[in-house]
Amino acid sequence: EVQLVQSGAEMKKPGESLKISCKGSGYSFTSYWIGWVRQMPGKGLEWMGIIYPGDSDTRYSPSFQGQVTISADTSISTAYLQWSSLRASDTAMYYCARHGYGGISDAFDIWGQGTMVTVSS
Amino acid sequence: EIVLTQSPGTLSLSPGERATLSCRASQSVSSSYLAWYQQKPGQAPRLLLYAASSRATGIPDRFSGSGSGTDFTLTISRLEPEDFAVYYCQRYGGSPTFGGGTKVEIK
Repeated sequence: EVQLVQSGAEMKKPGESLKISCKGSGYSFTSYWIGWVRQMPGKGLEWMGIIYPGDSDTRYSPSFQGQVTISADTSISTAYLQWSSLRASDTAMYYCARHGYGGISDAFDIWGQGTMVTVSS
Repeated sequence: EIVLTQSPGTLSLSPGERATLSCRASQSVSSSYLAWYQQKPGQAPRLLLYAASSRATGIPDRFSGSGSGTDFTLTISRLEPEDFAVYYCQRYGGSPTFGGGTKVEIK
């Protein structure tokens, strides 16, 4: 079964760092783009950026460039989203999702279950 | 940046009725790069349609999509109880963007 399994919920304080993960299984992890999507409480979906694990080509939404870092470790089929200094406004659900066979010219066909990040003092 | 505007914000309908959801783009979008997703409370989004009108694996045929250029439509022919959810359109390829969503609620 093709699936993406994300790490568990996190509670952090402002200024702390965080790295959440998304592990792919059931397919060739290096051959499909993985994206990250933010959903703030009660709000819609926002595209953050994508990575191609095969060569680590990474692209960011202008809204998130410089705010987060996307990476991948192909040895364990895992993509990451990380922050160096969290803010309260980073409180949200974060989803990873896989682009389909057509690459970035394809929709997100598989989604992780989401990781809730809460940032509060 | 292309902006996708979905309407209405909320659609109140009864089971068995037809639902028509709109997604309007600020610039022309290739129909090859327009998707629709369904999100139920507490769940991740699920791909319904890609390339504007192609159903994803396992999606029932009561879901259909149409449109081109700047105007796209998701139609649910007869609402089933499990269809009450929030629906998002997305332009993918290049710099992806999502619409704000339409909530389909039980009347």
